Amino acid sequence: SQTIHQWPATLVQPVGSPLSLECTVEGTSNPNLYWYRQAAGRGLQLLFYSVGIGQISSEVPQNLSASRPQDRQFILSSKKLLLSDSGFYLCAWSVRSQGTYYEQYFGPGTRLTVT
Amino acid sequence: AQTVTQSQPEMSVQEAETVTLSCTYDTSENNYYLFWYKQPPSRQMILVIRQEAYKQQNATENRFSVNFQKAAKSFSLKISDSQLGDTAMYFCAFGNTGNQFYFGTGTSLTVIP
Repeated sequence: SQTIHQWPATLVQPVGSPLSLECTVEGTSNPNLYWYRQAAGRGLQLLFYSVGIGQISSEVPQNLSASRPQDRQFILSSKKLLLSDSGFYLCAWSVRSQGTYYEQYFGPGTRLTVT
Repeated sequence: AQTVTQSQPEMSVQEAETVTLSCTYDTSENNYYLFWYKQPPSRQMILVIRQEAYKQQNATENRFSVNFQKAAKSFSLKISDSQLGDTAMYFCAFGNTGNQFYFGTGTSLTVIP
């Protein structure tokens, strides 16, 4: 069965420090991968998605970036964190189900607090 | 661009009763998919139910069912025989054939014992 891992689970970082969040998927190949941010009490904001190694699409211009160095690895980075980067970050993967459509499955998330 | 609207920020229901959560969406696409996700206090997102737009029959999954009205672009979730474990945030989501997903702002559901 497929599983998705995210780490760290929680992170407290000062403003201006770098960031690296990692997501890995097991049990599937060539998944579509996604990074979302969920602010407190808000919905999910799609940040990046990837359909293959080295292929990244950005939905929201900001000081974050994403990379996919391996098929089942997706990394979210920042060179200098802002206070507004605080939130709950979710990684997700999707797969074509029953040959007709995609559905997404989510990791456990990373709670980031920028101080 | 696709938008998903959930107009009920908070709802409550008595245990064992039925509750309906509303969702509307806007799209110009004809082939797409709709989902309801549950996010309990653990914050793990769980897929509850899915609906393909080309199917007229409403999806059901045990106590969960949807009322899909394509012309009205409406996709509501009905939870029957509500249980305490149903207490969670519920998100409506739209997915297209281009691998993109869009989520509503969520409805916080509380099941009252």
